[in-house]
Amino acid sequence: QSALTQPASVSGSPGQSITISCTGTSGDVVNYNSVSWYQQHPGKAPKLMIYDVINRPSGVSNRFSGSKSGNTASLTISGLQAEDEADYYCSSYTNSRSVVFGGGTKLTVL
Amino acid sequence: VQLVESGGGLVKPGGSLRLSCVVSGFTFSSYNMNWVRQAPGKGLEWVSSISSSSSYIYYADSVKGRFTISRDNAKNSLYLQMNTLRADDAAVYYCASLTIPPAVGGMDVWGQGTTVTVSS
Repeated sequence: QSALTQPASVSGSPGQSITISCTGTSGDVVNYNSVSWYQQHPGKAPKLMIYDVINRPSGVSNRFSGSKSGNTASLTISGLQAEDEADYYCSSYTNSRSVVFGGGTKLTVL
Repeated sequence: VQLVESGGGLVKPGGSLRLSCVVSGFTFSSYNMNWVRQAPGKGLEWVSSISSSSSYIYYADSVKGRFTISRDNAKNSLYLQMNTLRADDAAVYYCASLTIPPAVGGMDVWGQGTTVTVSS
């Protein structure tokens, strides 16, 4: 199972909105509403930010939102804040009953 | 909720290690569990999953035939037996689970990770 495709890096200024894309195939993103997104700060465990494409776990800011269209899922962060600077990973269940992650996107808050 | 991994360390290529993950704060026996790893400076890689009753077990192709996942619901514990270790198995290994009903995709609880180093 090949990794989902994410941009290596994105950046934005405080207060702006950014979107991170996650491209998959019919074997994962297209046919499963199980896309999730994780935030990871250096040296820390990943934190779930979005599950099942669009849902936020309790305690996650509503500045984070998820969507999906065709083979591409997206994470949008609005009102960018300094503490949002981190690595972000998407993930999906697959038709081989495995889980596949994206390569990760480094978000820089300028 | 707490997941605490242990068992990592330095091992020679071809060697073995057994990782453990002890869970508290949620009903361990009700949830599927996963191992996810992260090589130094690299991204996340799913390693293996096990269903709540151990009926269903899945592995990444990169570890199939070398790693074995298991669990002991009486001890609230998850395990990963790693054999024939290679240099590219070196990583931080996390145990993780999805405990949000009725979610199907994602892992909302994670341990702090245990580090496996493979070197001669």
